[in-house]
Amino acid sequence: AQKVTQAQTEISVVEKEDVTLDCVYETRDTTYYLFWYKQPPSGELVFLIRRNSFDEQNEISGRYSWNFQKSTSSFNFTITASQVVDSAVYFCALSEPNRDDKIIFGKGTRLHILP
Amino acid sequence: KAGVTQTPRYLIKTRGQQVTLSCSPISGHRSVSWYQQTPGQGLQFLFEYFSETQRNKGNFPGRFSGRQFSNSRSEMNVSTLELGDSALYLCASRQDYEQYFGPGTRLTVT
Repeated sequence: AQKVTQAQTEISVVEKEDVTLDCVYETRDTTYYLFWYKQPPSGELVFLIRRNSFDEQNEISGRYSWNFQKSTSSFNFTITASQVVDSAVYFCALSEPNRDDKIIFGKGTRLHILP
Repeated sequence: KAGVTQTPRYLIKTRGQQVTLSCSPISGHRSVSWYQQTPGQGLQFLFEYFSETQRNKGNFPGRFSGRQFSNSRSEMNVSTLELGDSALYLCASRQDYEQYFGPGTRLTVT
């Protein structure tokens, strides 16, 4: 069965520090998609990134970067030089398009960036 | 392009009542999914509609139902409300594998 685990429930770092949010997934399929979403205090989930299982290239977008490693079934998210506005809950998610195609979310990691 | 809109944003209901929530997807998106978010259970998938047909369903009781109209707008209904139904209900509009969420409806059952 598909499953997404975000072992870090809550993380606090001081502004300008780098922080990595972990995501480990389980799937029996060879074709799948992984996602990261940000949920700020306003409540709306903001799409950050989607990766497919055939593309293991790491991705960088400004201060955000993602490390996809199939060997360890992980899709970790790093924020470099964190800012107070990065404070939010971050969700990792997985979908299996050849199965039921539902997008299943992890429990989320609450990130506090302290000024 | 306008984003996903949900109405109402906040709702207070009493146990035993029923409620209908509405979601308008991004123009051109034909898939709408609904999620329930609670502190204890996180984000749980309710159901997905595509072209007016339910395509996927989560593990929720039959009190939770939905539908989609020909203009892709979707509604979800919860009958015989229970205290445990208090949650943030999020709707998502999907194109290919990019899913965009609305601001949610916060439902409080008293």
